[in-house]
Amino acid sequence: DAGVIQSPRHEVTEMGQEVTLRCKPISGHNSLFWYRQTMMRGLELLIYFNNNVPIDDSGMPEDRFSAKMPNASFSTLKIQPSEPRDSAVYFCASSFGGRDTQYFGPGTRLTVL
Amino acid sequence: KQEVTQIPAALSVPEGENLVLNCSFTDSAIYNLQWFRQDPGKGLTSLLLIQSSQREQTSGRLNASLDKSSGRSTLYIAASQPGDSATYLCALPRGGGADGLTFGKGTHLIIQP
Repeated sequence: DAGVIQSPRHEVTEMGQEVTLRCKPISGHNSLFWYRQTMMRGLELLIYFNNNVPIDDSGMPEDRFSAKMPNASFSTLKIQPSEPRDSAVYFCASSFGGRDTQYFGPGTRLTVL
Repeated sequence: KQEVTQIPAALSVPEGENLVLNCSFTDSAIYNLQWFRQDPGKGLTSLLLIQSSQREQTSGRLNASLDKSSGRSTLYIAASQPGDSATYLCALPRGGGADGLTFGKGTHLIIQP
């Protein structure tokens, strides 16, 4: 299996622009998680899905952030409008069940100027 | 809400030494605990997952222990090698029965050749 796939790997954008991050989970996994990593706050859970349904989005920092999972093989995390403080590495992870080993993608490094 | 602390924040040792990384957590009502490795600019790789009913788990030169009553876990690395240099992260369920992980800030490990 190719593992969790994320795109793009790097994104540089200007403040106010819309940013869309993409994730393809491991085939057969039912749970998908979006995390954000910064030097100050470490790794934080933003939102997770079970069977394509958003279960808990309490970690999404603001209404500017939204996430979708239209099918079992694709999820997006959108930031609109983006701000410099959104600069971070965003990781997607998947697992068979919500309590099983999580497998992480390589991350998307986002820089908002 | 689960809080996770890792000590030390950084560690540098000569090649060949055995070493112990520590993780402490506040909510002992957990169903498992995971140790991850993160290489610079890369995603996270799951090393070991210990179920709450287990006391330890081993994989090669790695051994992780879990003491729920004291809220502690240790990751023991035997005969360290330069290739072990990375950041090691401890992660637990967020608490309150919710899925998704809470991470410690990690231990940055350097093995000197």
